[in-house]
Order: sequence, then C-alpha cells, then structure tokens
Amino acid sequence: QKEVEQDPGPLSVPEGAIVSLNCTYSNSAFQYFMWYRQYSRKGPELLMYTYSSGNKEDGRFTAQVDKSSKYISLFIRDSQPSDSATYLCAMGAGGSEKLVFGKGTKLTVNP
Amino acid sequence: GAVVSQHPSRVICKSGTSVKIECRSLDFQATTMFWYRQFPKQSLMLMATSNEGSKATYEQGVEKDKFLINHASLTLSTLTVTSAHPEDSSFYICSALPSSYLAGGTDTQYFGPGTRLTVL
Repeated sequence: QKEVEQDPGPLSVPEGAIVSLNCTYSNSAFQYFMWYRQYSRKGPELLMYTYSSGNKEDGRFTAQVDKSSKYISLFIRDSQPSDSATYLCAMGAGGSEKLVFGKGTKLTVNP
Repeated sequence: GAVVSQHPSRVICKSGTSVKIECRSLDFQATTMFWYRQFPKQSLMLMATSNEGSKATYEQGVEKDKFLINHASLTLSTLTVTSAHPEDSSFYICSALPSSYLAGGTDTQYFGPGTRLTVL
C-alpha cells in the first residue's frame, strides 16, 4: 500500500459546482496536512495547511482531516475556471521531515 | 511573504554538460531546502534534502555524484546536474522550510516556480 493515495482524475465540473478532492494515507505518524495547487509548468502553491484533525476554512476552500480514518479532503465551493489546475495533497510528520505527496488530481472547471 | 525563487526558469543544454540551478528564499531564512523532480503528468519526486552547512541527504536511487547539492547559506541552495543526459530532462522544483518552525512557527514548505531542463 502506498503511503498516500490520491485519485489522479481527471475531474471535470461546471462552473459554480462544489468540488471534493480526497486523499487517504497509511502512516499514522503524519500530523501535518497540506493541499497545494499546481498550474501547468509552474511550481506548487500552498493552498491549505492543517495540523491534526479538524476543519479549516479559507474563502471558498475548506480542508478536512479525519485522522481516525486517515482521510483528508479539500472542498472548493463556487468553483471557477481559474481553479482549473492539479491539486496535490501532502503530509508529513512535522519539522524538517520530508513531505509525502499524492499523485495529484487534475481538475477542470468548465465555464 | 514566503517567496522562493529559482534560476534559471528554463535551460536547454547539450548532453555531457553540467547545469546549475539556484533556489533562493527571498524573505525568510531556510535551514532546510528540498529538491524535487517532476515528470509530465506525474507527482513530485523528492530527490534530496538539503541542510545549511551540512551534506545533503539523498533519496534512494538518486545519484549523489550526479546531482550535486550545496546549501551554503540560509537563503540559497544549488543543484548541479553533472554530465547531463537526455534522460535528466525534467522539471526540477525546490522548496524551502522556514527556519522559524524551530521556534514553533509553521513548518510547511514553500515551493519555487521550477526549472525546466531540456538536455539535447
């Protein structure tokens, strides 16, 4: 079993839809959970950062972490064409420990 | 804040030459920086962890003599691809971990914009 599993998609939704992106993981030592957005031919951009379990909201984005199920989610409300990108989940045990990335989910929001 | 730059943004070189890529944290100090490579439609693959003032730690399967890493200051790490070959063509991305995490700050990595290397 891979440490982090993420459905690569692609995922195509109409503008205004609610998007749900998910990752599962196997390492119970992970404490820090992040979502990055990566546009084509660009470096990843940090979207959300969550420590341990719980929800975090930032504008149209909500990140959820369920450590008991080893499952994290990113919700995008009122999706926009500019949200079209690849979304990568990442997690780590903390400190200078390396992050483990999911494969990324390619999202297209159609006008 | 938390801006990381990379230079050059893209480079094309002949097989057998060496290429140096710079990664700089512009508005924070980074004790630790990471180097990744990414093939088309693939996720990021960690190559090595670079710590200021010490030797880099390479991931399994990454040749340390081919990918030379130097983290000479708290704001600069360099990756040199020595004797590059076409199979080294890839997107190389660095990230930086703010040193402030040691004092309880956020310990998340900030990524550079990437360097696209093409070896002919």
